[in-house]
Amino acid sequence: QVQVVQSGAEVKKPGSSVKVSCKTSGGTFSRYAISWVRQTPGQGLEWMGGIIPVFRTLNYAQQFQGRVTITADESTTTAFMEVSSLRPEDTAMYYCAVDTSLWPAGSDFWGQGTLVTVSS
Amino acid sequence: IQLTQSPSSLSASVGDRVTITCRASQGIGTSLAWYQQKPGQTPNLLIYAASTLHSGVSSRFSGSGSETLFTLTINYLQPGDFASYYCQQLKTYPFTFGPGTRLEIK
Repeated sequence: QVQVVQSGAEVKKPGSSVKVSCKTSGGTFSRYAISWVRQTPGQGLEWMGGIIPVFRTLNYAQQFQGRVTITADESTTTAFMEVSSLRPEDTAMYYCAVDTSLWPAGSDFWGQGTLVTVSS
Repeated sequence: IQLTQSPSSLSASVGDRVTITCRASQGIGTSLAWYQQKPGQTPNLLIYAASTLHSGVSSRFSGSGSETLFTLTINYLQPGDFASYYCQQLKTYPFTFGPGTRLEIK
């Protein structure tokens, strides 16, 4: 059984950066497709980007390209998502979602979410 | 690829059968997943590959469709089914989600 644990809530100033971690255990980290999903208060799910460590593939949604950086450390089975130049509208819950299938099928394991609040 | 869902919200009673539709802006084969999200909780995978039930999910849930039109059907609604439901396409990056359907108790 895969477990996914994210880092804790953050409060940031506009213009700063935040880096959220996603620690996985109980599986083969390098083979998984790890996505980051944003959910603003009361709104739907928004796919930000994803990484498959074994293939070193990285993909971003266009609206996050250039401001979001996703990385993965196979030695610690941890993925990271950094958002720079934070704006108040980036206040949201950020989820790490793991797809353990051999092909993209859907994220079957999710982290608990990390609430990022951007406020002056 | 853009996804639309209908209806955006839906009121139903315990025991009812409901159907939620997800439309893709271009053909995606069967590369579609459905998720359930209850208030204050993380999303849970219900169905992948358009019609395959994820492990541990009640057989009251079923999915169908291909290319541009997909449906999620829930039979015999139970109190725990009242939640938001999202479709997601996994055919082409970015793996977009639909806007969601909120299922409420009538």
